[in-house]
This record gives sequence, structure tokens and C-alpha cells, in this order.
Amino acid sequence: GEDVEQSLFLSVREGDSSVINCTYTDSSSTYLYWYKQEPGAGLQLLTYIFSNMDMKQDQRLTVLLNKKDKHLSLRIADTQTGDSAIYFCAGGSGNTGKLIFGQGTTLQVKP
Amino acid sequence: EAQVTQNPRYLITVTGKKLTVTCSQNMNHEYMSWYRQDPGLGLRQIYYSMNVEVTDKGDVPEGYKVSRKEKRNFPLILESPSPNQTSLYFCASSLSPGPTIYGYTFGSGTRLTVV
Repeated sequence: GEDVEQSLFLSVREGDSSVINCTYTDSSSTYLYWYKQEPGAGLQLLTYIFSNMDMKQDQRLTVLLNKKDKHLSLRIADTQTGDSAIYFCAGGSGNTGKLIFGQGTTLQVKP
Repeated sequence: EAQVTQNPRYLITVTGKKLTVTCSQNMNHEYMSWYRQDPGLGLRQIYYSMNVEVTDKGDVPEGYKVSRKEKRNFPLILESPSPNQTSLYFCASSLSPGPTIYGYTFGSGTRLTVV
């Protein structure tokens, strides 16, 4: 079935760039999403990329999509302590509306 | 404020005691869904609903029931909770069943502990 895989943990220093990676199996996803979950909170949509795009930039966030390798990445420039959270990638599955989520990557930002 | 509201935020219960987690959205969204989040497993879909009176099983429906009698409400029912249902539960909604640039709107979560 459909699957989305992420590494579980990433630690960076404040001011560095963070790159969170994700691989997926369902190539029919129209959109691919990145969600952020802060401690004790629900998931918030951070950004998305349309499946016919290779790159999308939104302020400090850059999303890269490699459709051939089914690889999605989220780059956060100038990472701040407030960026510490769990980041989930997600892709749509068919026309049921179901989003398939990765396991989540915990980003730890050290001062 | 546009939002998905879940209640309660925290719940500790005993095995076998029926419980309901409520979910309500004020955005007139057609699509609603329940997920559970467990460490290392990400979010797994329990049930979803494409519209009023239309519900279907997700990936992990065993032990759960849902209903969608009104567009805004989508309660999750555990008829006989067991310890393996201890988890963090999220309700989510979307304008339409198909993919959109808005993705899902999530509630704040319900942390359930079954002892």
C-alpha cells in the first residue's frame, strides 16, 4: 500500500540550515504537504507543493520535490529555537481524501 | 475563528467503559477524519466521512465507531476501550474530499489513557 517514510530525529545549531527528508510510494498525489506539530498542539499546515512543481520557496522554507526518486525535502534556513517541533510530510491518496503521513521528524534546535 | 474543536483534551478511563470524543468544525467542511498518533508510527487514519451520513473505515478502525448526523460534528466512539487504544487522537477536516492547497485543518488533540 501507500507509504511515506521519514527519518525520526534531526539536531541542528541555531542559525544553521535544517533539511528534513521524506520518501513516498504513491506517485498519484496531487499535492504533498509539510505539517508542523509543536509540543502539546495539533498539526499546522506549514507549506505544500503541487506535484508538477520541482521547488517552492516561502520565506525561510524551501520545498524540493524529486518525482523520479519520489523524494521530498523541507529546508529551513536560519533555523531558530522556535522551529523545534515535529515535522510531518504527507501525501494524498487517490480520491478518498486520505492523507498518508510519515512517522514525523523531531527537529531539535540547540542555542 | 475557523477551527476544529475536540473535547476532552485529556481523558483517563478504565478498560471497558464506553467513551465518546467529540469533534466539531465551524468551516462548513464536507470531509472529516479521525487519526491516532503513536510514537514512531506517525498518524494513522481510523475513520473518515465524505459528507453527512457517509462514513468509511480507515487503516485502523477496529474498536472504534463514528457517526456523521450533522455536517459539523464527527464524534469518535470507543464502545469498550482497551489499553492498546491509549494514544493521541486528532480530528481533522477539509473543505472537500479531494486534495486542495489547504490540506487538513486539525484539532488540538485528545490524549486518551486506558488503564
